[in-house]
Amino acid sequence: NAGVTQTPKFRILKIGQSMTLQCAQDMNHNYMYWYRQDPGMGLKLIYYSVGAGITDKGEVPNGYNVSRSTTEDFPLRLELAAPSQTSVYFCASSYSQTNEKLFFGSGTQLSVL
Amino acid sequence: AQSVTQLDSHVSVSEGTPVLLRCNYSSSYSPSLFWYVQHPNKGLQLLLKYTSAATLVKGINGFEAEFKKSETSFHLTKPSAHMSDAAEYFCVVSDGGSYIPTFGRGTSLIVHP
Repeated sequence: NAGVTQTPKFRILKIGQSMTLQCAQDMNHNYMYWYRQDPGMGLKLIYYSVGAGITDKGEVPNGYNVSRSTTEDFPLRLELAAPSQTSVYFCASSYSQTNEKLFFGSGTQLSVL
Repeated sequence: AQSVTQLDSHVSVSEGTPVLLRCNYSSSYSPSLFWYVQHPNKGLQLLLKYTSAATLVKGINGFEAEFKKSETSFHLTKPSAHMSDAAEYFCVVSDGGSYIPTFGRGTSLIVHP
């Protein structure tokens, strides 16, 4: 019973490099989310998806891209890493919106130097 | 539009004394409200949720919260703090307008022996 799996747990990037943060869930959830967490700022929504093939921007989408080719996977792509993207990234999923709890991955700590 | 305000960035209590973490929300619809807890270097875990049933909601580890529509509040309480309660707590609102969970900035609970 894996739940939401995020990889990698830690990563250091140089400015301008690219990478993909992986997220997979095995609960057949339709809704998936990417958040970033910065100290004292709570969690800010980057992108979300309501099902395979459907994605939409959240509050802070600039510098990121996502895709949702399957129900299980929701990768987050950083194309040209910048120091402002240094953060902890959380993937989450839920069965439905509004009144269902979110299941979170364990997070990815990313530093851009 | 929905929003949530956690009124204290830090709360410090002694072990065995009551805990009060304050949360006010704004919503144009009937909201669903949640409290999540994040222990150091961990993902987020649901403590409790309110979804228009009983206004007093009981959660895990002895926490509870009361939904007060007239005050637009959803404060989290616990009668007696334990050292293991030291963590970051997030209040979250989700309503029929956006269906996207919006997080507060978090309250850090410090428990002194």
